[in-house]
Amino acid sequence: DGGITQSPKYLFRKEGQNVTLSCEQNLNHDAMYWYRQDPGQGLRLIYYSQIVNDFQKGDIAEGYSVSREKKESFPLTVTSAQKNPTAFYLCASSIAGGANTEAFFGQGTRLTVV
Amino acid sequence: DQQVKQNSPSLSVQEGRISILNCDYTNSMFDYFLWYKKYPAEGPTFLISISSIKDKNEDGRFTVFLNKSAKHLSLHIVPSQPGDSAVYFCAALHSGTYKYIFGTGTRLKVLA
Repeated sequence: DGGITQSPKYLFRKEGQNVTLSCEQNLNHDAMYWYRQDPGQGLRLIYYSQIVNDFQKGDIAEGYSVSREKKESFPLTVTSAQKNPTAFYLCASSIAGGANTEAFFGQGTRLTVV
Repeated sequence: DQQVKQNSPSLSVQEGRISILNCDYTNSMFDYFLWYKKYPAEGPTFLISISSIKDKNEDGRFTVFLNKSAKHLSLHIVPSQPGDSAVYFCAALHSGTYKYIFGTGTRLKVLA
Protein backbone atom coordinates (compact mmCIF):
# COMPACT_ATOMS: atom_id res chain seq x y z
CA ASP A 1 0.00 0.00 0.00
CA GLY A 2 1.17 3.53 -0.74
CA GLY A 3 1.80 5.83 2.16
CA ILE A 4 4.19 7.62 4.43
CA THR A 5 6.16 5.78 7.08
CA GLN A 6 7.70 7.50 10.04
CA SER A 7 9.97 5.64 12.38
CA PRO A 8 10.28 5.11 15.22
CA LYS A 9 6.90 5.96 16.75
CA TYR A 10 8.48 6.79 20.12
CA LEU A 11 12.01 8.03 20.66
CA PHE A 12 13.86 8.93 23.80
CA ARG A 13 17.15 10.81 23.86
CA LYS A 14 19.36 12.44 26.39
CA GLU A 15 19.74 16.17 26.34
CA GLY A 16 22.63 17.31 24.17
CA GLN A 17 22.42 14.41 21.73
CA ASN A 18 21.49 14.75 18.09
CA VAL A 19 18.71 12.48 16.87
CA THR A 20 17.44 11.68 13.37
CA LEU A 21 13.80 10.97 12.59
CA SER A 22 13.04 8.90 9.52
CA CYS A 23 10.38 9.63 6.90
CA GLU A 24 9.84 7.50 3.81
CA GLN A 25 7.09 7.76 1.20
CA ASN A 26 6.16 5.55 -1.74
CA LEU A 27 3.53 7.86 -3.20
CA ASN A 28 5.92 9.26 -5.82
CA HIS A 29 5.34 12.74 -4.39
CA ASP A 30 7.78 15.50 -5.16
CA ALA A 31 7.17 17.63 -2.07
CA MET A 32 7.85 16.59 1.51
CA TYR A 33 7.39 18.41 4.79
CA TRP A 34 8.25 18.27 8.48
CA TYR A 35 5.90 19.72 11.08
CA ARG A 36 6.05 19.88 14.82
CA GLN A 37 3.00 19.74 17.06
CA ASP A 38 2.95 21.16 20.56
CA PRO A 39 -0.14 21.47 22.77
CA GLY A 40 -2.17 24.53 21.78
CA GLN A 41 0.21 25.47 18.98
CA GLY A 42 -1.12 23.55 16.03
CA LEU A 43 1.24 22.27 13.37
CA ARG A 44 4.27 24.41 12.75
CA LEU A 45 6.40 23.98 9.63
CA ILE A 46 10.05 23.12 10.25
CA TYR A 47 11.42 22.37 6.77
CA TYR A 48 10.02 21.49 3.39
CA SER A 49 11.39 20.20 0.12
CA GLN A 50 9.85 20.60 -3.31
CA ILE A 51 12.33 18.42 -5.15
CA VAL A 52 15.34 16.18 -4.59
CA ASN A 53 18.49 17.97 -3.40
CA ASP A 54 16.55 21.11 -2.52
CA PHE A 55 14.84 22.21 0.68
CA GLN A 56 13.70 25.40 2.39
CA LYS A 57 13.36 26.53 5.96
CA GLY A 58 9.91 26.75 7.42
CA ASP A 59 8.80 28.91 10.32
CA ILE A 60 10.78 27.16 13.08
CA ALA A 61 13.91 25.73 11.41
CA GLU A 62 16.40 26.72 14.10
CA GLY A 63 18.01 23.69 15.72
CA TYR A 64 16.95 21.32 12.94
CA SER A 65 18.54 20.04 9.74
CA VAL A 66 17.28 17.96 6.82
CA SER A 67 18.49 16.28 3.67
CA ARG A 68 16.73 15.20 0.48
CA GLU A 69 19.06 12.88 -1.35
CA LYS A 70 16.26 10.63 -2.61
CA LYS A 71 12.72 11.41 -3.68
CA GLU A 72 11.35 8.86 -1.21
CA SER A 73 13.21 10.01 1.88
CA PHE A 74 13.32 13.21 3.94
CA PRO A 75 15.06 12.61 7.30
CA LEU A 76 14.98 15.25 10.01
CA THR A 77 17.83 15.72 12.49
CA VAL A 78 17.03 17.37 15.78
CA THR A 79 20.30 18.86 16.94
CA SER A 80 21.48 19.78 20.41
CA ALA A 81 20.89 23.42 19.42
CA GLN A 82 17.12 22.92 19.50
CA LYS A 83 16.10 24.33 22.88
CA ASN A 84 12.79 22.51 23.29
CA PRO A 85 13.02 19.32 21.25
CA THR A 86 10.36 17.31 23.09
CA ALA A 87 7.35 17.29 20.75
CA PHE A 88 5.30 15.25 18.30
CA TYR A 89 6.89 15.35 14.84
CA LEU A 90 4.88 14.82 11.68
CA CYS A 91 6.12 14.20 8.16
CA ALA A 92 3.95 14.84 5.11
CA SER A 93 4.16 14.69 1.34
CA SER A 94 2.22 16.08 -1.59
CA ILE A 95 2.20 16.38 -5.34
CA ALA A 96 3.99 19.58 -6.23
CA GLY A 97 4.04 21.35 -9.56
CA GLY A 98 1.32 23.86 -8.79
CA ALA A 99 -1.43 21.32 -8.21
CA ASN A 100 -4.01 22.15 -5.57
CA THR A 101 -4.07 18.96 -3.64
CA GLU A 102 -3.87 17.65 -0.13
CA ALA A 103 -0.82 16.69 1.85
CA PHE A 104 -0.66 13.17 3.25
CA PHE A 105 0.73 12.62 6.71
CA GLY A 106 2.64 9.87 8.43
CA GLN A 107 1.68 8.60 11.87
CA GLY A 108 4.19 10.77 13.67
CA THR A 109 7.15 10.32 15.99
CA ARG A 110 6.94 11.32 19.63
CA LEU A 111 10.36 12.56 20.69
CA THR A 112 11.12 12.92 24.37
CA VAL A 113 14.39 14.43 25.48
CA VAL A 114 15.37 13.81 29.08
CA ASP B 1 2.59 35.98 12.67
CA GLN B 2 -0.29 33.52 12.68
CA GLN B 3 -1.54 33.47 9.10
CA VAL B 4 -4.22 30.88 9.79
CA LYS B 5 -6.26 31.18 12.95
CA GLN B 6 -8.77 28.97 14.67
CA ASN B 7 -10.05 31.06 17.53
CA SER B 8 -12.13 28.39 19.24
CA PRO B 9 -9.91 25.85 21.01
CA SER B 10 -12.85 23.57 21.73
CA LEU B 11 -16.46 22.90 20.81
CA SER B 12 -19.08 20.55 22.24
CA VAL B 13 -22.11 19.49 20.23
CA GLN B 14 -24.94 17.08 20.84
CA GLU B 15 -25.09 14.01 18.62
CA GLY B 16 -27.27 14.60 15.57
CA ARG B 17 -26.86 18.37 15.66
CA ILE B 18 -24.68 20.53 13.43
CA SER B 19 -21.03 21.21 14.24
CA ILE B 20 -19.57 24.42 12.84
CA LEU B 21 -15.83 24.95 12.99
CA ASN B 22 -14.37 28.27 11.96
CA CYS B 23 -11.08 29.43 10.52
CA ASP B 24 -9.71 32.83 9.54
CA TYR B 25 -6.70 33.66 7.41
CA THR B 26 -4.75 36.79 6.66
CA ASN B 27 -2.81 36.05 3.46
CA SER B 28 -4.82 36.82 0.32
CA MET B 29 -2.35 34.77 -1.74
CA PHE B 30 -3.70 31.50 -0.33
CA ASP B 31 -5.57 29.72 -3.11
CA TYR B 32 -6.50 26.37 -1.60
CA PHE B 33 -7.93 25.52 1.79
CA LEU B 34 -8.17 22.20 3.56
CA TRP B 35 -9.62 20.62 6.68
CA TYR B 36 -7.93 17.77 8.51
CA LYS B 37 -9.08 15.56 11.36
CA LYS B 38 -6.62 14.35 13.94
CA TYR B 39 -6.72 11.83 16.77
CA PRO B 40 -4.12 11.86 19.58
CA ALA B 41 -0.75 10.36 18.70
CA GLU B 42 -1.75 9.95 15.04
CA GLY B 43 -1.11 11.88 11.87
CA PRO B 44 -3.85 14.19 10.53
CA THR B 45 -6.16 12.75 7.89
CA PHE B 46 -7.56 14.83 5.06
CA LEU B 47 -11.28 15.58 5.19
CA ILE B 48 -12.30 18.09 2.59
CA SER B 49 -10.89 21.02 0.64
CA ILE B 50 -11.96 24.03 -1.36
CA SER B 51 -10.35 26.10 -4.06
CA SER B 52 -10.35 29.86 -3.73
CA ILE B 53 -12.47 30.13 -6.88
CA LYS B 54 -15.37 28.39 -5.14
CA ASP B 55 -17.48 29.30 -2.14
CA LYS B 56 -18.79 25.89 -1.18
CA ASN B 57 -17.76 22.26 -1.40
CA GLU B 58 -19.77 19.36 -0.06
CA ASP B 59 -18.82 15.75 0.63
CA GLY B 60 -21.39 13.68 2.46
CA ARG B 61 -21.88 15.06 5.96
CA PHE B 62 -19.07 17.60 5.51
CA THR B 63 -19.43 20.99 3.84
CA VAL B 64 -16.80 23.69 3.66
CA PHE B 65 -17.76 27.30 3.02
CA LEU B 66 -15.33 29.98 1.90
CA ASN B 67 -15.90 33.72 2.23
CA LYS B 68 -12.96 35.33 0.46
CA SER B 69 -13.93 38.90 1.22
CA ALA B 70 -13.95 38.11 4.93
CA LYS B 71 -10.96 35.73 4.66
CA HIS B 72 -13.00 33.16 6.52
CA LEU B 73 -13.84 29.52 6.04
CA SER B 74 -15.97 27.14 7.99
CA LEU B 75 -16.55 23.41 8.20
CA HIS B 76 -20.07 22.15 8.79
CA ILE B 77 -20.69 18.59 9.96
CA VAL B 78 -24.29 17.44 9.75
CA PRO B 79 -25.37 15.33 11.53
CA SER B 80 -22.60 15.15 14.08
CA GLN B 81 -21.65 11.70 15.34
CA PRO B 82 -19.62 10.62 18.39
CA GLY B 83 -16.93 9.30 16.03
CA ASP B 84 -16.41 12.86 14.81
CA SER B 85 -14.85 13.73 18.16
CA ALA B 86 -11.28 14.76 17.33
CA VAL B 87 -9.12 17.82 16.76
CA TYR B 88 -9.83 19.60 13.49
CA PHE B 89 -7.19 21.67 11.73
CA CYS B 90 -7.75 24.05 8.90
CA ALA B 91 -4.87 24.62 6.51
CA ALA B 92 -4.11 27.00 3.67
CA LEU B 93 -1.89 26.54 0.66
CA HIS B 94 -0.23 29.07 -1.55
CA SER B 95 0.31 26.90 -4.60
CA GLY B 96 3.29 28.96 -5.70
CA THR B 97 5.24 28.06 -2.57
CA TYR B 98 3.81 24.59 -1.80
CA LYS B 99 3.67 25.53 1.86
CA TYR B 100 0.74 24.27 3.86
CA ILE B 101 0.08 26.60 6.79
CA PHE B 102 -2.01 25.16 9.61
CA GLY B 103 -4.20 26.70 12.26
CA THR B 104 -3.97 25.80 15.95
CA GLY B 105 -6.86 23.36 15.84
CA THR B 106 -10.31 23.04 17.40
CA ARG B 107 -11.13 20.08 19.62
CA LEU B 108 -14.63 18.85 18.80
CA LYS B 109 -16.51 16.71 21.27
CA VAL B 110 -19.77 15.16 20.10
CA LEU B 111 -21.90 14.12 23.03
CA ALA B 112 -24.03 11.00 22.75
